[in-house]
Amino acid sequence: DVKVTQSSRYLVKRTGEKVFLECVQDMDHENMFWYRQDPGLGLRLIYFSYDVKMKEKGDIPEGYSVSREKKERFSLILESASTNQTSMYLCASSSPRGAGGLYEQYFGPGTRLTVT
Amino acid sequence: GQSLEQPSEVTAVEGAIVQINCTYQTSGFYGLSWYQQHDGGAPTFLSYNALDGLEETGRFSSFLSRSDSYGYLLLQELQMKDSASYFCAVSLRGDSSYKLIFGSGTRLLVRP
Repeated sequence: DVKVTQSSRYLVKRTGEKVFLECVQDMDHENMFWYRQDPGLGLRLIYFSYDVKMKEKGDIPEGYSVSREKKERFSLILESASTNQTSMYLCASSSPRGAGGLYEQYFGPGTRLTVT
Repeated sequence: GQSLEQPSEVTAVEGAIVQINCTYQTSGFYGLSWYQQHDGGAPTFLSYNALDGLEETGRFSSFLSRSDSYGYLLLQELQMKDSASYFCAVSLRGDSSYKLIFGSGTRLLVRP
């Protein structure tokens, strides 16, 4: 079974703090993704990475950065957390090999981040 | 820009059939997929359509019309456990790889 794990289920941080969200997958997938999920807005893509040290901006990258130093690990960084970054953060991975790379992503359980 | 539209909420009775529609406006479209998410859980993949027509997977079917930029997910013989949120997503080519853009989700409530 594919397994995507995220470092925390719940996280509370203060405004202005630097926040690291970690994601690890065990399926040797090349692609990894970070989304945030808010009620009524669905899943919005923040950043994704298609290879180690490679990244591409998603639809809402402002206020975020990412790091991919190893294939299995993809980190989302909030440089200076703000209250409007309170959200559920979901990590996902996929393999570009075969047609599944077009549509099948495996998600982690999510991190609910509250910024106060 | 890219946009997907789906109803925010649908209610149906156990044992019935329900259809969740999705319309999209995108460029570089490769296909339409559907994900299910139970409250507190992670989204899980259900089905994918790259070509026009109907794809069936057990009680779930998905349809795509590329000319109409439209698709739907059909759930038959509804069960209480089908109560969840359902997201349509389009596969697009990014600068260097593929990505998914998700709709805002449809919350399905199955009543006894």
